[in-house]
Amino acid sequence: GEDVEQSLFLSVREGDSSVINCTYTDSSSTYLYWYKQEPGAGLQLLTYIFSNMDMKQDQRLTVLLNKKDKHLSLRIADTQTGDSAIYFCAERRNSGYSTLTFGKGTMLLVSP
Amino acid sequence: DTAVSQTPKYLVTQMGNDKSIKCEQNLGHDTMYWYKQDSKKFLKIMFSYNNKELIINETVPNRFSPKSPDKAHLNLHINSLELGDSAVYFCASGPTGANEQFFGPGTRLTVL
Repeated sequence: GEDVEQSLFLSVREGDSSVINCTYTDSSSTYLYWYKQEPGAGLQLLTYIFSNMDMKQDQRLTVLLNKKDKHLSLRIADTQTGDSAIYFCAERRNSGYSTLTFGKGTMLLVSP
Repeated sequence: DTAVSQTPKYLVTQMGNDKSIKCEQNLGHDTMYWYKQDSKKFLKIMFSYNNKELIINETVPNRFSPKSPDKAHLNLHINSLELGDSAVYFCASGPTGANEQFFGPGTRLTVL
């Protein structure tokens, strides 16, 4: 199986909260990331969390990390139609050169 | 004033041809990367260069040859293009050992 796994699709209504989940396998991962990719565009770093943290909040975004279960989630509060995109979870495995291993991405569709 | 730029944005070519994709970053980063995103949106590291030296080569066919003339540039040359090379190729850069990678807008390669 893949090293970083995500559900492929999530559909929510505008104004609701969205929760995108991710599981990873390498316990030595030092940082975990969430990237956003809008249609036809490159990847935009949304946020990242250091592996010794449980939670990080940044405006509408909340990242939760359960290191024991190797589970990462991204919560988007008050989801807007502009949040529709593919969200990639990624882990960084070694501290020397920051190679990222990505999940396959979760497509978030926000309907009015 | 684009941070990480790639040219061309789109590339359509015939099987068997040789083509190059260029990447430039003006962020002063030491490390640059090439990622491949396939039709299913799976994103995978191909190469990483640090200070013009190759540090990571992830089982990429030797038809792919990255070249880094200086720290700000990492070009990707592909020989004898195959149908399976069709993908979006992303360049990224980041400070050595740091948390963030900044991605370019991608080059969509279509091999006919």
